[in-house]
Amino acid sequence: IQLTQSPSSLSASVGDRVTITCRASQGISSDLTWYQQKPGKAPKLLIYAASTLQSGVPSRFSGGGSGTDFTLTISSLQPEDFATYYCQQLTTYPITFGPGTRLEIK
Amino acid sequence: EVQLVESGGGLVKPGGSLRLSCVASGFTLRTYHMNWVRQAPGKGLEWVSSITSSSSYRFEADSVRGRFIISRDNTKNSLFLQMNSLTVDDTGVYYCTRASSGYEPPDIWGQGTLVAVSS
Repeated sequence: IQLTQSPSSLSASVGDRVTITCRASQGISSDLTWYQQKPGKAPKLLIYAASTLQSGVPSRFSGGGSGTDFTLTISSLQPEDFATYYCQQLTTYPITFGPGTRLEIK
Repeated sequence: EVQLVESGGGLVKPGGSLRLSCVASGFTLRTYHMNWVRQAPGKGLEWVSSITSSSSYRFEADSVRGRFIISRDNTKNSLFLQMNSLTVDDTGVYYCTRASSGYEPPDIWGQGTLVAVSS
């Protein structure tokens, strides 16, 4: 199952609302996970099962979608949110990741 | 503190071998499904291999099948990745991760260990 993300990069300002899209090449129900990665660090789990917020993750992050189309929304960008975001599917092997969306400060 | 610590990375020539280790602390490894994920320099994340809690099932990416072997020693709270016939395309940071099952997302990641394949 291939995952595509759009946009590949995004410039935004603190306080902006941003949405990142992940599309699967075939239906994956709600088996979609979102990670945040900062330079030199391991990825951090944000959202699983498409819309369930991992414990400790701020509520400004939200996820949605099912089937083939999914979204990650950050309601009001904070300085610490500038990072790269990846989606991942666990429906079937091989496990696959999207190519990533780099979120930069405008 | 719940954590995973990888080791064993380094510089190796093409065709060489390395064995990566990942030691768990703060939790019992034997109840978790474990994975290796890698990241080439400046690139995205790539799943490498997974192993079920009792080692009953193992899965590998096509890119490493026949060359990499995942294993675990639950008595030592450890996960391993034996990497043979290495190529330059295997260069990157290797992360071990834990998940409650094969259908649950990895919630804990190690800090990664760097593997560099170069002549």
